[in-house]
Amino acid sequence: DVKVTQSSRYLVKRTGEKVFLECVQDMDHENMFWYRQDPGLGLRLIYFSYDVKMKEKGDIPEGYSVSREKKERFSLILESASTNQTSMYLCASSLGTDQPQHFGDGTRLSIL
Amino acid sequence: QQQVKQSPQSLIVQKGGISIINCAYENTAFDYFPWYQQFPGKGPALLIAIRPDVSEKKEGRFTISFNKSAKQFSLHIMDSQPGDSATYFCAASNPDSNYQLIWGAGTKLIIKP
Repeated sequence: DVKVTQSSRYLVKRTGEKVFLECVQDMDHENMFWYRQDPGLGLRLIYFSYDVKMKEKGDIPEGYSVSREKKERFSLILESASTNQTSMYLCASSLGTDQPQHFGDGTRLSIL
Repeated sequence: QQQVKQSPQSLIVQKGGISIINCAYENTAFDYFPWYQQFPGKGPALLIAIRPDVSEKKEGRFTISFNKSAKQFSLHIMDSQPGDSATYFCAASNPDSNYQLIWGAGTKLIIKP
């Protein structure tokens, strides 16, 4: 079974802090994704990556950046956290384009 | 054009009944339509998926019905069980945009015993 592990289940940070969310997958998947999930809005894509050191903006990249130095690890960075970034963050990976995405259990991030 | 509209937002069904969740899209380029199931505290997991060359796909108690001309697809859960209580998301894959998934807003399904 594919395992996607997100480093924290819950995280509380203050406005203006730089926040790192880490995600690791163990199936040698090419593609990795970061989403945020908010009630009534479904999942919105922040960034995705189809290869090491490669990144593409999703629908809502503003205020975020990503890093993929190794194939198995995809990090989401909030450069200067703001209260409107309080949300559930979900990481996913897939074997290739148009393949099922496998999700981690999410990080619930609160920005105070 | 990029949206997937999902309804209803929430749904309560008696045990043993049929649960039906609907989705509609505009972009005819979409070519893959998965449904994901999410339990509280967990990430979404792929439940069942369909491509537009077929009108129906069944896996156990779960069926996707697909109407290409109407640009609609729906999830039917037969003999609904309390263990089916979860949030369900439909999605559509856009080959013109690196096969990104476009997600519906989700349906919270409660099966009453």
